[in-house]
Amino acid sequence: KNEVEQSPQNLTAQEGEFITINCSYSVGISALHWLQQHPGGGIVSLFMLSSGKKKHGRLIATINIQEKHSSLHITASHPRDSAVYICAPRGADGLTFGKGTHLIIQP
Amino acid sequence: NAGVMQNPRHLVRRRGQEARLRCSPMKGHSHVYWYRQLPEEGLKFMVYLQKENIIDESGMPKERFSAEFPKEGPSILRIQQVVRGDSAAYFCASSPLAVADTQYFGPGTRLTVL
Repeated sequence: KNEVEQSPQNLTAQEGEFITINCSYSVGISALHWLQQHPGGGIVSLFMLSSGKKKHGRLIATINIQEKHSSLHITASHPRDSAVYICAPRGADGLTFGKGTHLIIQP
Repeated sequence: NAGVMQNPRHLVRRRGQEARLRCSPMKGHSHVYWYRQLPEEGLKFMVYLQKENIIDESGMPKERFSAEFPKEGPSILRIQQVVRGDSAAYFCASSPLAVADTQYFGPGTRLTVL
């Protein structure tokens, strides 16, 4: 069973700050998803990555398969980035989800 | 191209009733996944289906829960004789290929059992 840990659990920051959310997992995986869940509950898939780094706008995701660790970065954070960010590594038995990081960006 | 659609968005049932949750995958997607998010908990995998086949139901409770993805029409998650503990958000996701592919999530169905 893949144990997934995210840190921090909660993060409040000021608009414009650089944000980092970390995800560690315990077993080998083929890929890892980062998801965003808005206050209304809807889920958006931000990234799926299996190595290296991906960038979409102000979002950057990195993964180190050997160290079983991934990070999600947000540059120039904005209040609309406030959401729950969920890490979901994909192992042999499918996706396992972290409990999420609750991010609040204050104006 | 419409995204993954789920209906209803909100469903209220009394204990003992049946709940039917529907998921229409994105056009061209033949793989559907159901997840449950209990209050204050993370998402948990329930079942993975392809058209007319259940591929992995390891996350489904053994009783009262069933899922199907018929050749025509949406995927259905069915909960019989609902109990208060079934109250949760149920998310469906779809992908064009197998489990290695990116999954696209629907907006979820929030089930409340009175």
